[in-house]
Amino acid sequence: QQQVKQSPQSLIVQKGGISIINCAYENTAFDYFPWYQQFPGKGPALLIAIRPDVSEKKEGRFTISFNKSAKQFSLHIMDSQPGDSATYFCAASKGNDMRFGAGTRLTVKP
Amino acid sequence: GAVVSQHPSRVICKSGTSVKIECRSLDFQATTMFWYRQFPKQSLMLMATSNEGSKATYEQGVEKDKFLINHASLTLSTLTVTSAHPEDSSFYICSARVGGSTGELFFGEGSRLTVL
Repeated sequence: QQQVKQSPQSLIVQKGGISIINCAYENTAFDYFPWYQQFPGKGPALLIAIRPDVSEKKEGRFTISFNKSAKQFSLHIMDSQPGDSATYFCAASKGNDMRFGAGTRLTVKP
Repeated sequence: GAVVSQHPSRVICKSGTSVKIECRSLDFQATTMFWYRQFPKQSLMLMATSNEGSKATYEQGVEKDKFLINHASLTLSTLTVTSAHPEDSSFYICSARVGGSTGELFFGEGSRLTVL
């Protein structure tokens, strides 16, 4: 059973555009929602994370929007750059139980 | 910031041999570390949770005797792939939390295993 569903599977955005990746979770006990960025041949790097007591968190060009009632959260990348081209994973966790989305391959075209 | 380091980053071995991968927390202590396997263009699959000073907890379907995990200190966990076969070829990644079970989760750089 896939507890975290991520979409789209792949995304192509023009430089300067907004990239939006969505995730939905099932377990209401989850209390930590991170996003990871992974480049080929490298381990995932923590990008930004949110806890359910806030509806939005912004760090630079990256924003997480969180909708607790809908059990959904999304990553917005403003002013997308070619260097942002990578695979992005959302995750949801409670304690040591962390579930990952299937990943979104983002390509930012110059 | 917190850093999780893995070694080796790449290893090639012959079928039937054993390979050890190390995962270290460089500037913090980790009582729990996690080992993942990632196939090309796929998500991370949790293999096991490594607990300092006690036995690892394996996910369903992961062979304990094939993937030996040892967490002998608060900064080091090792994954040994025993009697490796070509189907064990994969990208193995470890992770650890800073600040206990509610802290941020950081990943190592990953280890690419190729079994000939």
